[in-house]
Amino acid sequence: EIVMTQSPATLSVSPGERATLSCRASQSVSTKLVWYHQKPGQAPRLLIYGASTRATGIPARFSGSGSGTEFTLTISSLQSEDFAVYYCQQYHNWPRTFGQGTKVEIK
Amino acid sequence: QLQLQESGPGLVKPSQTLSLTCSVSGDSIMSGDNYWSWIRQPPGKGPEWIGSLYQSGTTNYNPSLKSRVTISVDTSKNEFSLRLTSVTAADTAVYYCAREGSTRLGYCSITKCQFFDYWGQGTLVTVSS
Repeated sequence: EIVMTQSPATLSVSPGERATLSCRASQSVSTKLVWYHQKPGQAPRLLIYGASTRATGIPARFSGSGSGTEFTLTISSLQSEDFAVYYCQQYHNWPRTFGQGTKVEIK
Repeated sequence: QLQLQESGPGLVKPSQTLSLTCSVSGDSIMSGDNYWSWIRQPPGKGPEWIGSLYQSGTTNYNPSLKSRVTISVDTSKNEFSLRLTSVTAADTAVYYCAREGSTRLGYCSITKCQFFDYWGQGTLVTVSS
């Protein structure tokens, strides 16, 4: 099983500032990496797939990068609706595995 | 617009079987290159993939749950189901059904990209006597 590790656990950011989230895989997943965000009481929502491709309707302030074992999600200028928990997930192998999440909170 | 909706008991006794159904509307469960999946999320924790079913009937299960899990499909009703046996308190979670879609467009033409793009609203299942 590929273990996904996210850091930091919590990120405190002011609105309008940049946020950088990290995700590390225990072995190479190439670019088979997805990012989601989740607000309380809701299902996760797809943001980025293929490590860097934004899903339909996702604003350009969200960008993903990386390959192999190291990945980054950057939110260029945080909006109020972006404060949520962010998860990475690999689809290189079965079982599909998720990280434990990074909570982006208002500073 | 594709929609998924979970249904089933919200309370299950220890050692009994958890059974949930996901009703799919807006598209046929047999169309496209999709996996129909169950994912759960214990309170305050990250999601855990339980298993997926392909339109051919092929299934993949999380090894940590494989001995207790069955995912099946009813094409006549356009729904798929989860059965988890011998539950304990550790199985208490919000259970989601989701579609793992795919694309081979653009960058993904080299290697197919896959992602959970449609999710149900989730249903809380509590295991308690």
